[in-house]
Amino acid sequence: NAGVMQNPRHLVRRRGQEARLRCSPMKGHSHVYWYRQLPEEGLKFMVYLQKENIIDESGMPKERFSAEFPKEGPSILRIQQVVRGDSAAYFCASSPRLGGLSNTGELFFGEGSRLTVL
Amino acid sequence: GNSVTQMEGPVTLSEEAFLTINCTYTATGYPSLFWYVQYPGEGLQLLLKATKADDKGSNKGFEATYRKETTSFHLEKGSVQVSDSAVYFCALSEKDGNNRLAFGKGNQVVVIP
Repeated sequence: NAGVMQNPRHLVRRRGQEARLRCSPMKGHSHVYWYRQLPEEGLKFMVYLQKENIIDESGMPKERFSAEFPKEGPSILRIQQVVRGDSAAYFCASSPRLGGLSNTGELFFGEGSRLTVL
Repeated sequence: GNSVTQMEGPVTLSEEAFLTINCTYTATGYPSLFWYVQYPGEGLQLLLKATKADDKGSNKGFEATYRKETTSFHLEKGSVQVSDSAVYFCALSEKDGNNRLAFGKGNQVVVIP
């Protein structure tokens, strides 16, 4: 009964490097959400994806950030040329098919990936 | 747009004290409301939820009532334990939307033995 799986749990990068964060949703869930939590702040929505589609990326920075959720494999959040301000915890969440009987509006969260940029 | 406001600042209280964390919201339509809890170094876990006005969500001794007239969803617990020390987030979701959640800033709760 695996929940949402994120890896790596901790990632250290130097300025200018790339960071790749992976997320496997709960079994049977087809919707993935990425949130960012900066120190001492709440969670900010970044992007919402279904398989092979980006549905809402209104929270994604315009530069350096991208996300995908391929037909096979986990969802990936990619940050190019990282800067110190990217240091944060990145949380992935999933939900079942919208409109389905199992959908109560709840999101199921992973344990997060904590990115530190030196 | 939709937004959630939580009371400012951390909350420090003694074991067995009464806990209240205020949450108010602004939303179009009729959102579902949630409280999530985050223990140190972990992800968010759903604590309780309410999907319509006057519903009361409850779990582990925590309660919150969906008050449409005051647009509030305050969290309460009658007698806290040290193990309740965590960060608590209020959130809302538009039922007819995409399950995207809007979160408040969170409140750090520290329970002292």
